[in-house]
Amino acid sequence: NAGVTQTPKFQVLKTGQSMTLQCAQDMNHEYMSWYRQDPGMGLRLIHYSVGAGITDQGEVPNGYNVSRSTTEDFPLRLLSAAPSQTSVYFCASSPGTGGTNEQFFGPGTRLTVL
Amino acid sequence: TQLLEQSPQFLSIQEGENLTVYCNSSSVFSSLQWYRQEPGEGPVLLVTVVTGGEVKKLKRLTFQFGDARKDSSLHITAAQPGDTGLYLCAGAEYGNKLVFGAGTILRVKS
Repeated sequence: NAGVTQTPKFQVLKTGQSMTLQCAQDMNHEYMSWYRQDPGMGLRLIHYSVGAGITDQGEVPNGYNVSRSTTEDFPLRLLSAAPSQTSVYFCASSPGTGGTNEQFFGPGTRLTVL
Repeated sequence: TQLLEQSPQFLSIQEGENLTVYCNSSSVFSSLQWYRQEPGEGPVLLVTVVTGGEVKKLKRLTFQFGDARKDSSLHITAAQPGDTGLYLCAGAEYGNKLVFGAGTILRVKS
């Protein structure tokens, strides 16, 4: 199993550009989520999904959209990139919705917005 | 959103020393997880604690959940250079939403 995969690994955008960060998992997990990691702030939840066709907002959803058309894929879209969105983005999946379930993280996408 | 405060933010020690990392909140969590993250990679789960007062050991790492389920600690005995990394605590809110602390950067020098 590849686990959780993310593409691209690195990306540089100009202010106002849009892009999609890809995330896929091959573990048949129902729960998937997107986090951003900034220095000194830990991981903050952007959006999450408890199953195909169901998404919800996390702590910092503004400027981001998600969709979940299949169990495997959970792309994150930046609508109009801003310098404040410069961060490292992690996708994670989990087998269930209980707080004791392990979250499996992808390797991350390092995004710079100029 | 519940908040988790981790301390210290940064720790640099010599190989063989002991250390403790703290994770504190004013709120109660249903469970608490500790993750370790290496540069350029995503966090990896070390342990989950669920019951107040619970103690779990993972080789040289000892994890404790406070009696009131508001705080947790990670103690490393005889630290080794391979323990170097970012340690994150994460408390579970309702559902599967996790609230992460800011992390503790540990550097173990040989």
